[in-house]
Amino acid sequence: GAVVSQHPSRVICKSGTSVKIECRSLDFQATTMFWYRQFPKKSLMLMATSNEGSKATYEQGVEKDKFLINHASLTLSTLTVTSAHPEDSSFYICSARDPSGRTSTDTQYFGPGTRLTVL
Amino acid sequence: SQQGEEDPQALSIQEGENATMNCSYKTSINNLQWYRQNSGRGLVHLILIRSNEREKHSGRLRVTLDTSKKSSSLLITASRAADTASYFCATRETSGSRLTFGEGTQLTVNP
Repeated sequence: GAVVSQHPSRVICKSGTSVKIECRSLDFQATTMFWYRQFPKKSLMLMATSNEGSKATYEQGVEKDKFLINHASLTLSTLTVTSAHPEDSSFYICSARDPSGRTSTDTQYFGPGTRLTVL
Repeated sequence: SQQGEEDPQALSIQEGENATMNCSYKTSINNLQWYRQNSGRGLVHLILIRSNEREKHSGRLRVTLDTSKKSSSLLITASRAADTASYFCATRETSGSRLTFGEGTQLTVNP
């Protein structure tokens, strides 16, 4: 199946710094990517929908200025956590849909996730 | 808000037994999907069932969908220790493109 990668897999940073997480679709072009946040033993919460070449659509309650999303190409979306605080510590997962029809028309492919720890 | 609710929250069985997980949802859907997540990892797509389908099989997996009750079940037959993971249902609403995830069931298969 299609592959989505994330980098880094783990990051530890100091409070107040910014952290960038990359999400790449490796063998297909993704016009739309999704960013989720997951707390321990909890479900995935959709944070935003990232659209190539346009502004991201954020879910209610997600701060746009806090979580900056850029989808500059058809294979790359980035999430930047700005001025990170300990409460931002979480597991961040991206996903992408393959619109080509090559794979199942509605399957979303998920990245392996990024564990962010803010000290 | 998250619309999927799954039960049980946790399930512990012996190898060889069958595992059944249930998912309920609230809105009209285009399809319902089941995903698996190993601890600290990303999600793996298991199976998709469309709103006009009632049952689907894939290997040891059997999924049912009852749109009148807005519920779905995932059955894993002849479970193995390697099936230990969290299982999530996710619904694709007819009105939008987002996937909404349930709370998940933590399955433990004891060898």
